[in-house]
Amino acid sequence: NAGVTQTPKFQVLKTGQSMTLQCAQDMNHEYMSWYRQDPGMGLRLIHYSVGAGITDQGEVPNGYNVSRSTTEDFPLRLLSAAPSQTSVYFCASSVSGLFYEQYFGPGTRLTVT
Amino acid sequence: SQQGEEDPQALSIQEGENATMNCSYKTSINNLQWYRQNSGRGLVHLILIRSNEREKHSGRLRVTLDTSKKSSSLLITASRAADTASYFCATDTGRRALTFGSGTRLQVQP
Repeated sequence: NAGVTQTPKFQVLKTGQSMTLQCAQDMNHEYMSWYRQDPGMGLRLIHYSVGAGITDQGEVPNGYNVSRSTTEDFPLRLLSAAPSQTSVYFCASSVSGLFYEQYFGPGTRLTVT
Repeated sequence: SQQGEEDPQALSIQEGENATMNCSYKTSINNLQWYRQNSGRGLVHLILIRSNEREKHSGRLRVTLDTSKKSSSLLITASRAADTASYFCATDTGRRALTFGSGTRLQVQP
């Protein structure tokens, strides 16, 4: 199994541009989440999903959009990039639930200029 | 403010020594987890301890939980250079998902 994969690894955007961060898992996990990690801070939840077709907002959802059309994929869309969205983004999945063991992808480092 | 706060923020030890890091939290939990993050990588789950457990072992890792003090500790025995990483605690007190602390950066000198 590849586990949780994320693309791209690095991305530079200009303010106002949009893009989609890709996340896929091959473990048939129902639960998937997107977090952002900023220097000196813990991970903060952006959006999450408890199954295909079901998504909900996390702690810091503004400026981001998600969809879950399949169990495997959970893309994160930046609608109009802002410098405050410069961060490292992690996708995670779990078989047990959002409060149990999470499997993380390798991350996408995003810089918005 | 962060639900889980790790202490110390940074720790530097020699190979072979033990490393202890602590996590404090504010509200009651059902479980607490520890994760490791190597530089430039994603987090890796290490261990989960439930609120009715006081101690748990996994290889060279020992986790304790004191719910009366709302604190947990992670002990890595006989540390190796490969243990160099950031370590995060995560609690299940978030409204929607885990709440992570800001981490302890461990440096193990060979």
